[in-house]
Parts: sequence; C-alpha cells; structure tokens
Amino acid sequence: KNEVEQSPQNLTAQEGEFITINCSYSVGISALHWLQQHPGGGIVSLFMLSSGKKKHGRLIATINIQEKHSSLHITASHPRDSAVYICAVRPRNIIQGAQKLVFGQGTRLTINP
Amino acid sequence: ETGVTQTPRHLVMGMTNKKSLKCEQHLGHNAMYWYKQSAKKPLELMFVYSLEERVENNSVPSRFSPECPNSSHLFLHLHTLQPEDSALYLCASSQDPSGNSYNEQFFGPGTRLTVL
Repeated sequence: KNEVEQSPQNLTAQEGEFITINCSYSVGISALHWLQQHPGGGIVSLFMLSSGKKKHGRLIATINIQEKHSSLHITASHPRDSAVYICAVRPRNIIQGAQKLVFGQGTRLTINP
Repeated sequence: ETGVTQTPRHLVMGMTNKKSLKCEQHLGHNAMYWYKQSAKKPLELMFVYSLEERVENNSVPSRFSPECPNSSHLFLHLHTLQPEDSALYLCASSQDPSGNSYNEQFFGPGTRLTVL
C-alpha cells in the first residue's frame, strides 16, 4: 500500500461543476504539495501547505494534519483544468538537506465542455 | 531561458545504446533531483544532489548513472537499458536550505524515453 493514496483515480465532469480530489497519507509530514501535470509531462506546483487552507483563483487546498488528509477543490471547472493532479508529501523524519517527496498515483481529471 | 529545462524531450534508444539526459536550472537553486514516472505508477525519486553532492540514491540500478558537474546542471547517463525502463524522466530543483525548513521543487518538462 502506497504511503500516499488519492481518490478518485479518474474523474470526469461537466464544465462548471465543483471538483474535489482527496489525498490521504499514512506518515507524519512537514509539508504537502498539490501538483498539476498536463499532457506532455510538465509538472507545475499548485500549492504547498502544512496547515489550514490556501486559495489561488478557482483552486482551494485544505489539509487536516490530525486526520492525515488533504483535499483539492476546483470551483467553476473549465476544460483547461483537465490534467493529472498529484498529491505529494514530505515525510517529517527526513534528514536535513534531503528534500524527499513521496507521491500519490495521481487523479486524472477531464472536464467536458 | 528561465526555470528548469530538459533535453532531449523525446528519446528512443536500443538496449545496447549509451545516451545521456540533460537538465539545466536557471533559478539559482542548489539542489537537483531525478524522478522516474512510469505508466500508472506514482513518481519515483531516483537521485538527489545537494550542493553538487549526491545525498540520495533510491536503490536505482547501476545502468542509470547521474552526474552533477555544478549546481545548475544535472545529467543522467544511460547504458544497456531494458524495455521496462521506458518512462518519463523528470528533473526538478529547489533551494536546499539550512535547518529543517522546506522549499518547493520546480520541475522540468521531462524526457520521454522509449527503450526498444
């Protein structure tokens, strides 16, 4: 079992719908990332958070450290949001200077017009 | 040129070939990473270099050989690969801080490798 689990693995929705992608992890962490990967491979960091909630445009990320759970929400979804969304965590027991990330398997989101 | 660049973007090689992947970062970072992304599997960390020293080798077969000649450049030398090594190879960089703080990683576009 992977230390980072995402759900759902695949999600198809209509333009305008509210989207939620979930991430659960089993280790203590010092930070959690949400990443976006478009077809072609390039990865963009959307959020890095260690507590609470962050918002950027139509994207909202929340984290509950006690429950070891994070969610990524997209409001008013658009076809250009279609991508793979990846959750990654930095385990807390990592030695200084080695910034190791552990990744979830990704959620493939398709927004239809 | 800004950010993290990788060349080539696509590579097809035979099992007996020797090739190299190149990564260059223009962000002034001092830590660089190689990741492997296979179909339907999570990203896997392969190597980490911090201040041009390898600080992590994640049980990667010796047919993959990294090289970090300076803080801006990272190479992955490939030889006698297997078809199962076909994957997207991603490079990333970050500012490796002192203490236990954490800085985000910036990713390159990746090299899609096919081994025949």
